[in-house]
Amino acid sequence: GDSVTQMEGPVTLSEEAFLTINCTYTATGYPSLFWYVQYPGEGLQLLLKATKADDKGSNKGFEATYRKETTSFHLEKGSVQVSDSAVYFCALKAGGFKTIFGAGTRLFVKA
Amino acid sequence: GAVVSQHPSRVICKSGTSVKIECRSLDFQATTMFWYRQFPKQSLMLMATSNEGSKATYEQGVEKDKFLINHASLTLSTLTVTSAHPEDSSFYICSATNDGVTGTNEQFFGPGTRLTVL
Repeated sequence: GDSVTQMEGPVTLSEEAFLTINCTYTATGYPSLFWYVQYPGEGLQLLLKATKADDKGSNKGFEATYRKETTSFHLEKGSVQVSDSAVYFCALKAGGFKTIFGAGTRLFVKA
Repeated sequence: GAVVSQHPSRVICKSGTSVKIECRSLDFQATTMFWYRQFPKQSLMLMATSNEGSKATYEQGVEKDKFLINHASLTLSTLTVTSAHPEDSSFYICSATNDGVTGTNEQFFGPGTRLTVL
């Protein structure tokens, strides 16, 4: 069945460091891909998405490119801030309403 | 953006009791609501999908009689954990989608409810 695998955390970085959180997926057909972020004590928020191959989603300095050939959707940010500390979830939707989530990666950014 | 609330945020109950969790869409009408369960350091697992006025569709392995879902209006869905046991302790998250406004089926998530069964 459809699945999402993302790198285990926690990831600890210093402020202004480069961030990559890897995400790969398995799906039939052509899924839409998402990154959600969960800040402490809050619900999940959509960070960015891409709906077809080679699309690049971007928001708040974060980017991810839909790579069909490698079935990947890695999240990147050039310079992280303390306020980026959160849990990040990679997800896919392959049709209908069902969204499948990765396990989540916790990011800690130190000042 | 669209806001989804959950109540309560935390609940502790004794084994054998029932617990009701509410999920509300505050500023939009939710055509579909979803209930997820999240174990520590694990994914969100979809439990069921509910549409207003109809029976919920449960995922394989989820006990319908254990986890009662009611979606009586376009702004409210409830999850009742009946005869709760310690293994039901978990983080329960709801989400809602509003096709009519955004047309993108974007899901808006509640902040979650931490259930602890003693």
